[in-house]
Amino acid sequence: DIQLTQSPSFLSASVGDRVTITCRANQGLNSYLAWYQQKPGKAPKLLIYAESTLQSGVPSRFSGSGSGTEFTLTISSLQPEDFASYYCQQLNSYPLTFGGGTKVEIK
Amino acid sequence: EVQLLESGGGLLQPGGSLRLSCAASGFTFSSYAMSWVRQAPGKGLEWVSGISGSGDTAYFADSVKGRFTISRDNSKNTLYLQMKSLRAEDTAVYHCAKGDIPGFYGYYGLDVWGQGTTVTVSS
Repeated sequence: DIQLTQSPSFLSASVGDRVTITCRANQGLNSYLAWYQQKPGKAPKLLIYAESTLQSGVPSRFSGSGSGTEFTLTISSLQPEDFASYYCQQLNSYPLTFGGGTKVEIK
Repeated sequence: EVQLLESGGGLLQPGGSLRLSCAASGFTFSSYAMSWVRQAPGKGLEWVSGISGSGDTAYFADSVKGRFTISRDNSKNTLYLQMKSLRAEDTAVYHCAKGDIPGFYGYYGLDVWGQGTTVTVSS
């Protein structure tokens, strides 16, 4: 099974900050990497798929990049509504797996 | 509007069984792979199981293999998760989710999620 290691697990940031979250896989994913945002009590929301493609309706301050086994989610200028948890997911092979998550909190 | 609505959660004792349902609407259900994803209290997301659009292929996480089965009734646009031999560690909110493009392999994300149904396993 493919393991995803997400870091950091927690980060404290201010509105306007640039934030980067990393997801490392123990094998190549052929770009089958997605990022989700989840707010408390809500279902996850797909932000980015295919490593770097923004889902329709997602603000352009979110971006994804990476290759092979290391991937990043970047929020260029953190907004109040971005304080949430973020998860990466690999869809390269079954069983699909998620990273452990990153909680972004207000500094 | 594309929607997924889960039901069937509840409180039960260890060793018990439960069947969850996920009613889909607003898209051609039979064309899309579907997944169940769970989240234990205060924990992260865990993919549980996925099934092809036709229902003939399914995969499971190691943590539920042999105890859970997944199925779908495309005539009713409904996805199911049959859970047996439940354990305390199965306590979670269970979400169903849809693959973003038709097919069982090669889709890029889970683009529609239900709000979830809560399963609590406790004596």
